[in-house]
Amino acid sequence: GNSVTQMEGPVTLSEEAFLTINCTYTATGYPSLFWYVQYPGEGLQLLLKATKADDKGSNKGFEATYRKETTSFHLEKGSVQVSDSAVYFCALNSGGYQKVTFGTGTKLQVIP
Amino acid sequence: DAGITQSPRHKVTETGTPVTLRCHQTENHRYMYWYRQDPGHGLRLIHYSYGVKDTDKGEVSDGYSVSRSKTEDFLLTLESATSSQTSVYFCAISESRGVGKETSVADEQFFGPGTRLTVL
Repeated sequence: GNSVTQMEGPVTLSEEAFLTINCTYTATGYPSLFWYVQYPGEGLQLLLKATKADDKGSNKGFEATYRKETTSFHLEKGSVQVSDSAVYFCALNSGGYQKVTFGTGTKLQVIP
Repeated sequence: DAGITQSPRHKVTETGTPVTLRCHQTENHRYMYWYRQDPGHGLRLIHYSYGVKDTDKGEVSDGYSVSRSKTEDFLLTLESATSSQTSVYFCAISESRGVGKETSVADEQFFGPGTRLTVL
């Protein structure tokens, strides 16, 4: 079946540091890949997505590239802010009768 | 923001009592989902609906039932709550481009604010 593996957290960074959160997946077919963000006390929000190999999703300074050869979708940001502190979830959707598969989430804490 | 509300937002109940959580959407989306979020497990799908009166089980459906009598409402019921059902519950919706129970690979989900349930 489908699976998503994310790096364990929490990740603690200083403001303006470079961020990478690793995500790898196992799936049948050609899934779409997503990053969702959950701020404290809230539900998940879609951050970015990519629907085919080599696509780059981007939003709010975050980027992730769909790498089919390495089955990865790593999230990056060049300069994090305190307001980026949240839990980040990688997810995939292979469509059909399969439902969305989420990773376990990576907590990011950015300190001033 | 997608129009999704959940009620109640917080609930404390006792073991053995029935509990119903409500998800309401104003987006007229066909698909609705119930997830639970627990530390170390991420999000796990409990049940989902692909239309009025059309529902199916997810990966952790034991002890839960659902109903969808209107497009906008999706109810999750714990018939007899147990301490293992203490969790944060999220409703999500998506406008699937698939047919029937099938979804499209590009479908994205929109989440409600969550309900924190504590079973003592």
